[in-house]
Amino acid sequence: DTGVSQDPRHKITKRGQNVTFRCDPISEHNRLYWYRQTLGQGPEFLTYFQNEAQLEKSRLLSDRFSAERPKGSFSTLEIQRTEQGDSAMYLCASSFGGAGRATEAFFGQGTRLTVV
Amino acid sequence: GNSVTQMEGPVTLSEEAFLTINCTYTATGYPSLFWYVQYPGEGLQLLLKATKADDKGSNKGFEATYRKETTSFHLEKGSVQVSDSAVYFCALSNSGGSNYKLTFGKGTLLTVNP
Repeated sequence: DTGVSQDPRHKITKRGQNVTFRCDPISEHNRLYWYRQTLGQGPEFLTYFQNEAQLEKSRLLSDRFSAERPKGSFSTLEIQRTEQGDSAMYLCASSFGGAGRATEAFFGQGTRLTVV
Repeated sequence: GNSVTQMEGPVTLSEEAFLTINCTYTATGYPSLFWYVQYPGEGLQLLLKATKADDKGSNKGFEATYRKETTSFHLEKGSVQVSDSAVYFCALSNSGGSNYKLTFGKGTLLTVNP
């Protein structure tokens, strides 16, 4: 297993454009998380999936943001009408959780978004 | 709500020096505590963790002890190496295993000079 992979690694977009990021978690992991990290800050939680169900969303996730995990495997995070304040590193993480057992979260290398 | 406060950086040390990075937290219940490390150009990696009071997490010569009475989880290493240069994040999760959502500190940049 190659770990959590994210695509693209870097994205530059013009303000007002839509962007979509993809995350492929570790194959046996049923939980998937999206975080956002801005310069000089720690990652901040955005949203969480267990299998295909989106179970929690942060207040940081405005209505311009949407995340999906249609088959309980890979996930996409879309940002519509991007703003300069959306410039950040978007991190994906996955873990396994079930009755009596849970692993720690494993992180991908992130997608760095720059809105110009 | 949950919060993590960690020592402001950057921290610059010479090789073989002793390292301490302070971390304190605020949380309800009984959180699990973590240290993550981010090497240049790489993703976040779990360095060590502790899931209950007085537990000591250790890995690669790093240690941290879960101190409930002082709500702290300070990271220590007796002798740092140049390869330890990285950003270190303290984090907590208080979901009791049902959800691994993490709350992170701001990170501390460590630079170790030869």
